[in-house]
Amino acid sequence: RKEVEQDPGPFNVPEGATVAFNCTYSNSASQSFFWYRQDCRKEPKLLMSVYSSGNEDGRFTAQLNRASQYISLLIRDSKLSDSATYLCVVNPSAGGTSYGKLTFGQGTILTVHP
Amino acid sequence: DGGITQSPKYLFRKEGQNVTLSCEQNLNHDAMYWYRQDPGQGLRLIYYSQIVNDFQKGDIAEGYSVSREKKESFPLTVTSAQKNPTAFYLCASRHLWSTEAFFGQGTRLTVV
Repeated sequence: RKEVEQDPGPFNVPEGATVAFNCTYSNSASQSFFWYRQDCRKEPKLLMSVYSSGNEDGRFTAQLNRASQYISLLIRDSKLSDSATYLCVVNPSAGGTSYGKLTFGQGTILTVHP
Repeated sequence: DGGITQSPKYLFRKEGQNVTLSCEQNLNHDAMYWYRQDPGQGLRLIYYSQIVNDFQKGDIAEGYSVSREKKESFPLTVTSAQKNPTAFYLCASRHLWSTEAFFGQGTRLTVV
């Protein structure tokens, strides 16, 4: 089983739609989780961290489900500018040589059309 | 301005030649990373380093080598042993206590 798995999509949605992505992880001791956004042929950039209690930033909501070992990203009222690849990232537990490791999922492609 | 810089942006090499990709950061970050991205794929970890003079293999280290002689520099050598070296290579850095990793703009390596 891969350490981090995402549905690669692509997701094609109209403007104004609500879309959700999930990402599963295999290491139950993982401590930190993030969502990154990558535009075509560009470097990834942090979109938001994922906290245990869930967190919201404008139209974006991130949630963590430790029992089922997945994180999710919800985008409401989709804009054309939201079209990108969304990558989930997992950081293993503190301690040991793997503490600094950041493992990326394969990314989910989102296209928002008019 | 603080940041992380990769060079060159595009690199062409003949098959069988070793090539070194540069990554420099002036953010005083502890950890540095090298990832490889193939078309339509996510990022796969090649090597990472948490402190100077120490580094760990990632998921696809075969055919690659790194060094971390200085905190701000983490060069990646793609050796002739790497069977499919053509890819987009991304370097990243972060403080170990921080959530955010910052990426360089990447190097597109083409081996012909």
